[in-house]
Amino acid sequence: DTEVTQTPKHLVMGMTNKKSLKCEQHMGHRAMYWYKQKAKKPPELMFVYSYEKLSINESVPSRFSPECPNSSLLNLHLHALQPEDSALYLCASSQVNREEQYFGPGTRLTVT
Amino acid sequence: GESVGLHLPTLSVQEGDNSIINCAYSNSASDYFIWYKQESGKGPQFIIDIRSNMDKRQGQRVTVLLNKTVKHLSLQIAATQPGDSAVYFCAEDAGNMLTFGGGTRLMVKP
Repeated sequence: DTEVTQTPKHLVMGMTNKKSLKCEQHMGHRAMYWYKQKAKKPPELMFVYSYEKLSINESVPSRFSPECPNSSLLNLHLHALQPEDSALYLCASSQVNREEQYFGPGTRLTVT
Repeated sequence: GESVGLHLPTLSVQEGDNSIINCAYSNSASDYFIWYKQESGKGPQFIIDIRSNMDKRQGQRVTVLLNKTVKHLSLQIAATQPGDSAVYFCAEDAGNMLTFGGGTRLMVKP
């Protein structure tokens, strides 16, 4: 299984809502990542988990809260988002924290 | 040709021709480089990678060239096909995170 899955595919939420994005991989990778991608822009790194521990937080606002319950799962909890947070949120995983990253299809988030 | 500005740089090629997509990277400490392909509505897909101890690496129909002197990376696609139409990103790794370049849209004309 060489797939990273993400749910939901699309999400529309209001600024007062709380929602979560989910990511799963069964490749035995011990590094997992969250990226944010705006239209016509490259992915921007948000968080890195290595061996289920948060190793990098790229100065992301606290309204985004990552969680890594186990080595296969990665969540991104969302609360009090702003319209400018609307984007494609990509999850990726890799064998170790430097090798080729496998990306999921992303969750298209719209904040109204 | 190429166009820059408010839109992604675009490379338009005829089906069957070879394509060359260029990327300038910024960090001289970067030692690992990847090319990704991203089709509309999908996540980035790994194409080929290269480490800094090499200057060329070949895959199936793709070749990556690395020039560390001028911090330049290129992706060559042989016999470009309509299915190659996508946005291509280079990415560099300096040891703790992957940083993506701005991307180039490849359009293949039948």
